[in-house]
Amino acid sequence: EDQVTQSPEALRLQEGESSSLNCSYTVSGLRGLFWYRQDPGKGPEFLFTLYSAGEEKEKERLKATLTKKESFLHITAPKPEDSATYLCAGLIQGAQKLVFGQGTRLTINP
Amino acid sequence: NAGVTQTPKFQVLKTGQSMTLQCAQDMNHEYMSWYRQDPGMGLRLIHYSVGAGITDQGEVPNGYNVSRSTTEDFPLRLLSAAPSQTSVYFCASSYSFRAPFITFFGQGTRLTVV
Repeated sequence: EDQVTQSPEALRLQEGESSSLNCSYTVSGLRGLFWYRQDPGKGPEFLFTLYSAGEEKEKERLKATLTKKESFLHITAPKPEDSATYLCAGLIQGAQKLVFGQGTRLTINP
Repeated sequence: NAGVTQTPKFQVLKTGQSMTLQCAQDMNHEYMSWYRQDPGMGLRLIHYSVGAGITDQGEVPNGYNVSRSTTEDFPLRLLSAAPSQTSVYFCASSYSFRAPFITFFGQGTRLTVV
């Protein structure tokens, strides 16, 4: 069964304290790995797409990386406005759908 | 540019009632989908459509119907609401299922079934 798992479930950091969120996947064939940000009461907002192992994408304080088994979302010197739930999703080979992980709820304390 | 618009934002139903959640997009996207989001479960796909007149089931389709008569609209119908359908529902769209497959989500409909 195709599965995407995120860890940790929740992460609390101090402002400026860098860390990483993990997204591991066990799928029959991955066409793409997606990261989204979701604020409370809002729909997910697209951040990155990664297509092949070794690929990296950056946006402000966020950097997403991809290996053959997992993806990381690195957050460098975070600010309180980076607090949100971060979702990853896999686009499965041969299927026209995304499989989502459970999300990581990130809180950045000032 | 409205993007993906869902209505209503909040709804309370009694068990057994039926209703339709509306979803419209103004980006001429081929692909549209419905997800439900429950605590600890992530987003789960209910139904999806790759174009007008074409729909298919996702991971959790039971109790829901969809149709796609136009490119813009993709309504989700609850046939006979059950407490297990209490959830937050998101409609999403993307240009197609080819790269880069950037998906846009609506703001969600919070549904409570009592």
